Amino acid sequence: GAVVSQHPSRVICKSGTSVKIECRSLDFQATTMFWYRQFPKQSLMLMATSNEGSKATYEQGVEKDKFLINHASLTLSTLTVTSAHPEDSSFYICSARDPQRYSNQPQHFGDGTRLSIL
Amino acid sequence: RKEVEQDPGPFNVPEGATVAFNCTYSNSASQSFFWYRQDCRKEPKLLMSVYSSGNEDGRFTAQLNRASQYISLLIRDSKLSDSATYLCVVNRNYGGATNKLIFGTGTLLAVQP
Repeated sequence: GAVVSQHPSRVICKSGTSVKIECRSLDFQATTMFWYRQFPKQSLMLMATSNEGSKATYEQGVEKDKFLINHASLTLSTLTVTSAHPEDSSFYICSARDPQRYSNQPQHFGDGTRLSIL
Repeated sequence: RKEVEQDPGPFNVPEGATVAFNCTYSNSASQSFFWYRQDCRKEPKLLMSVYSSGNEDGRFTAQLNRASQYISLLIRDSKLSDSATYLCVVNRNYGGATNKLIFGTGTLLAVQP
């Protein structure tokens, strides 16, 4: 069964809305979670690494004030897309690493959130 | 140049065919290697890890050549259900305890009846 739960799976909202996406590890503690974005016909691009109890580490070109990440507990990380615009429409996927099972699965992925900004 | 390069395809093959995907990576510090499968509008799922000694899982065989920085995936007796995008993925340590997965753009496979 799923070990990482991501919610919501689909969001459609108006331009200017802020959207929060949750990522939960279900049966393990994740000190590190990852947020990816995938545009159509492109690969997953890492946006940021979410660290429990400390600031997220953002990849080059990703605006930290636009994509707010909070990792307040060992099982939950949230990504908030602030004042979303149509160009933010994408497939957002989170993942978490379980140190106990790394050799079998380097990262467990959530089901993804398809965000559409009108 | 992308850190992980793949032929985007599509590869259109008949059922039962054998198909091979190739991937190259540019950073010699890459530590571990994987093939993932991604179905349309879904999250990627781990297909198999890749080792220098080669590894096989049923109809799937993966191979790593560290000297050439080249990774391959062979699918034998392809099934309709194999139709998906196959992602070549490398894992690299960026200092400290952080390992990152770097994804290739994926190769689209369409198995035809």
